[in-house]
Amino acid sequence: GAVVSQHPSWVICKSGTSVKIECRSLDFQATTMFWYRQFPKQSLMLMATSNEGSKATYEQGVEKDKFLINHASLTLSTLTVTSAHPEDSSFYICSARATRNTEAFFGQGTRLTVV
Amino acid sequence: TQLLEQSPQFLSIQEGENLTVYCNSSSVFSSLQWYRQEPGEGPVLLVTVVTGGEVKKLKRLTFQFGDARKDSSLHITAAQPGDTGLYLCAGALSGANSKLTFGKGITLSVRP
Repeated sequence: GAVVSQHPSWVICKSGTSVKIECRSLDFQATTMFWYRQFPKQSLMLMATSNEGSKATYEQGVEKDKFLINHASLTLSTLTVTSAHPEDSSFYICSARATRNTEAFFGQGTRLTVV
Repeated sequence: TQLLEQSPQFLSIQEGENLTVYCNSSSVFSSLQWYRQEPGEGPVLLVTVVTGGEVKKLKRLTFQFGDARKDSSLHITAAQPGDTGLYLCAGALSGANSKLTFGKGITLSVRP
């Protein structure tokens, strides 16, 4: 399958600071990338969908000013958690797909801990 | 309301046993995918089914898509400890975005 890489794999930050997570498609061009959040022993919750070159579409209940998503190129999307608080601590996962009709592949996830 | 219901939620079996788990919905999906996720890792795609009634095999894993494309099953033959993990089904509804909707997952534990 195609390779999607997330960086960093884990990060610890202080309350009030911002953290940027990168999602890269290494061997294909991703027109669409998805960002998910996963709490322990729970399923993936879609946060937003981003298409290259356009604004992200956020799911209901997700604050777009807090979770800034940029998809500036066909191989890179970033999620920035602004003014992080302990309740933002979670496992964040991205996925990427080439076209509407192709499968989406997932990154390895980023464990964010806000202290 | 959960669009995709997976059952059972938890399953603990002995190595060598067979098992079947389910993914059910009242919605029709253009495609349905099964993933396996291990702790601290992202989900890994196992299979995609797109045609009603389709059956796909991946070594000891057999996946079936319901005739009406509303449900799916995963059967594992002679389970091994390496099969332990969280099994997620995800469906794509027809539409412009075709975003995936995930079930809550099935936590499988295979004891040696």
